[in-house]
Amino acid sequence: KNEVEQSPQNLTAQEGEFITINCSYSVGISALHWLQQHPGGGIVSLFMLSSGKKKHGRLIATINIQEKHSSLHITASHPRDSAVYICAVSPDETSGSRLTFGEGTQLTVNP
Amino acid sequence: NAGVMQNPRHLVRRRGQEARLRCSPMKGHSHVYWYRQLPEEGLKFMVYLQKENIIDESGMPKERFSAEFPKEGPSILRIQQVVRGDSAAYFCASSQLTGGADTQYFGPGTRLTVL
Repeated sequence: KNEVEQSPQNLTAQEGEFITINCSYSVGISALHWLQQHPGGGIVSLFMLSSGKKKHGRLIATINIQEKHSSLHITASHPRDSAVYICAVSPDETSGSRLTFGEGTQLTVNP
Repeated sequence: NAGVMQNPRHLVRRRGQEARLRCSPMKGHSHVYWYRQLPEEGLKFMVYLQKENIIDESGMPKERFSAEFPKEGPSILRIQQVVRGDSAAYFCASSQLTGGADTQYFGPGTRLTVL
């Protein structure tokens, strides 16, 4: 079993829909990251969070440390949101600084 | 402020040749990470370096792969005697603080193709 699991693997939505991508992890962490990988391959960091909730534009990320679960929400989705969304965790302080990644969620938003 | 730079963006090598991938971190960042993304797979950690030091190389294959981050110049990921299975996208990321508590900024990646 992977240390970081994402669901769904693939998600197709119509423009304007509310989207949720889930991430569960099984190890102690110091932070959780949400990344976006564009069709051309570039990777952008969307959020880093260790508790609570963060919002940036139409994107919202939440984390529940007790349940070891995080969600990424996209409100009023748009075709330009089509990308792979990747959840990654930074291990706890005793385990170094590397990121451990989920397999990613391929999101396609149709006009 | 320029982002993380990687070159080359695309690299083609024949089996048995050497591949050198370069990464210049963001200005002011002293922590560099290398990750590999095999075709149709997720990203995997390879190595974490600070200037002149390898901090964590637990993700590096035991043979043929090496990494350095000298006092001056970019970080280098070196793959000797490449094989077809080395074909992948190699991403470098940098952070200002120890990565466990800091955002990592990714470069555009180097796509290595081994013929």
